[in-house]
Order: sequence, then structure tokens, then C-alpha cells
Amino acid sequence: GESVGLHLPTLSVQEGDNSIINCAYSNSASDYFIWYKQESGKGPQFIIDIRSNMDKRQGQRVTVLLNKTVKHLSLQIAATQPGDSAVYFCAENARRTDSWGKLQFGAGTQVVVTP
Amino acid sequence: NAGVMQNPRHLVRRRGQEARLRCSPMKGHSHVYWYRQLPEEGLKFMVYLQKENIIDESGMPKERFSAEFPKEGPSILRIQQVVRGDSAAYFCASSFTGTAYYEQYFGPGTRLTVT
Repeated sequence: GESVGLHLPTLSVQEGDNSIINCAYSNSASDYFIWYKQESGKGPQFIIDIRSNMDKRQGQRVTVLLNKTVKHLSLQIAATQPGDSAVYFCAENARRTDSWGKLQFGAGTQVVVTP
Repeated sequence: NAGVMQNPRHLVRRRGQEARLRCSPMKGHSHVYWYRQLPEEGLKFMVYLQKENIIDESGMPKERFSAEFPKEGPSILRIQQVVRGDSAAYFCASSFTGTAYYEQYFGPGTRLTVT
């Protein structure tokens, strides 16, 4: 079936370096993508989103890139900090289909920031 | 401005008992979503509700699980005759109706343990 998945289960990054988390999706009808951060014992926290009519969107220290040709999504975190240690999920929604409202999540990538 | 509230945060039930999980959406939100997360996995969509209506229950198990979002009060996810496989974190999210591209805000989750 349609799915959203992540390439790397764990990403270890040194404090101050940039992080890149990748995500592949297979539903060509997906038109809205979201990155969530989940710290241990907490609910997912919204980081940034992007619509399918955009290729790039920037937030505070984060950038999301969308490549619809290869159905690939990435999250870049600049100057990674210890507080960025968490599991990161990409999620997608196909708004113009009958699955509207149902976010499909990838498996998650654990980001570990080392001093 | 309170976020999405869920209670209880932790729930222990013996096999065969009923579990009731409550979710109060953010103020002004009339769309509620329930997701389940097994350890080391991503979130899986269960059900999408608006006030007094189930919009999409395609992720709900056919038996023992039910959800409601009454006109007054919180949304309830009910699991009857719980089994060990129901042990998971259950997250509720809410969104604001009327926006073109919406963000789902998540609660802290209820961690259900079936003994």
C-alpha cells in the first residue's frame, strides 16, 4: 500500500554540525507534508510543513526540501543542539483524496547529538 | 492557551477490562484524530472525528474499539476487553476547521499497559 518511510533509523551528529534527515514517500497524491519532532515520553511536536506546490521552505534553523520527481522529502537542521535530540517523523496527507484528514507517518529517525 | 489535553497519562488494565481514553482538543478546534504508536514505531492513524460525526475510521480495528466526539465534552476512545497487544501509546490530535492546509496539534498521549 501507500507508505511514507525513512532511510536511516539513527543519525548521530556532533553539536554544532548540520543534520539532514531523509524521507521517501510513495503516494503520488500526497500534497501536504509535515515534519514532527518527538521527545521521549511526549507527543509529536510540529516543526515545519510544506505544500506540494513548493520545493523549499525555511523556518528557524530548519529547512524542508521537497523533490516531487523522486518523491523525496528532507529536513535540514542547522547548527544542531543537544535539545534537538529526539525522534523525527515525516508525515503526509493526500488532501484531494478521500484520505483527507489521515496523516500517514514514517517510521522515524532517532537523532542523537553528541558533544 | 491550553494545548490538546489527554487523560489519563498512564493507564494500566488487566486483560478483559475496558480502557477509556479521553481527549480535549485545543480551544476552537472541532476536528479530532486518534493515533496509536507501538514502541519503536511511527504513529498509525486510527480515526478522525468531528463533533458528533465519525469522518474516517479506516484505521480502527473492527472489533472492541470505538470512538466518539460528543457535542459537549471530550472525545473518548474506548477499548473493550483489552488484550496485551493493545499496549501502546495513544495520541490524540486536533485541528482547526476552515483552514486550507491545517496543522494537527498533538496531545501528550496516554500510555496503556495491559497486564
